[in-house]
Amino acid sequence: GIQVEQSPPDLILQEGANSTLRCNFSDSVNNLQWFHQNPWGQLINLFYIPSGTKQNGRLSATTVATERYSLLYISSSQTTDSGVYFCAVERRAAGNKLTFGGGTRVLVKP
Amino acid sequence: DVKVTQSSRYLVKRTGEKVFLECVQDMDHENMFWYRQDPGLGLRLIYFSYDVKMKEKGDIPEGYSVSREKKERFSLILESASTNQTSMYLCASSGAGIPGAFFGQGTRLTVV
Repeated sequence: GIQVEQSPPDLILQEGANSTLRCNFSDSVNNLQWFHQNPWGQLINLFYIPSGTKQNGRLSATTVATERYSLLYISSSQTTDSGVYFCAVERRAAGNKLTFGGGTRVLVKP
Repeated sequence: DVKVTQSSRYLVKRTGEKVFLECVQDMDHENMFWYRQDPGLGLRLIYFSYDVKMKEKGDIPEGYSVSREKKERFSLILESASTNQTSMYLCASSGAGIPGAFFGQGTRLTVV
């Protein structure tokens, strides 16, 4: 099956800093999503981004499908950005199910 | 807004009990999924369904079954709960309309 790798596994930031999270995938995909898992365990949708660039406030994401990677940018980080960030890919040939990366655990210190 | 609701946030069950985890979505989505999340192992797909009464095994179906009698509801069943099924269970749905998959709040199940 498809492999999804995220880096770095852990990230410690000072409040106000910028950061980039990376997601590599091993095969072509139809869709890619970024999620933030909050402290209570719920996965919150950040971006649906099979290709191109999108921005939502201090967060933005870019997917280069031909090179099989996606980047999530966090600018001016805040303590509320702490948590685990997951990317997940979907292949129609695999029945529309999502395959998740291992996640990046982010801690933003005040 | 898409809403996916799981019946319980926390659940404690005894070994050998039959356990039902319920998930309801309000977006008329065709696809529904059950994942479990464990430290160091990430999110793993247990079962998914792409239509009423249809189901397919995911990566770790052993010890579980599912039921989808109505489009909006997808149930995960632990036939005889065991301690190694202590985990966080996450339900999701996807389909036509708003793109992407949407998750419920999760159920933290402890089997004692």
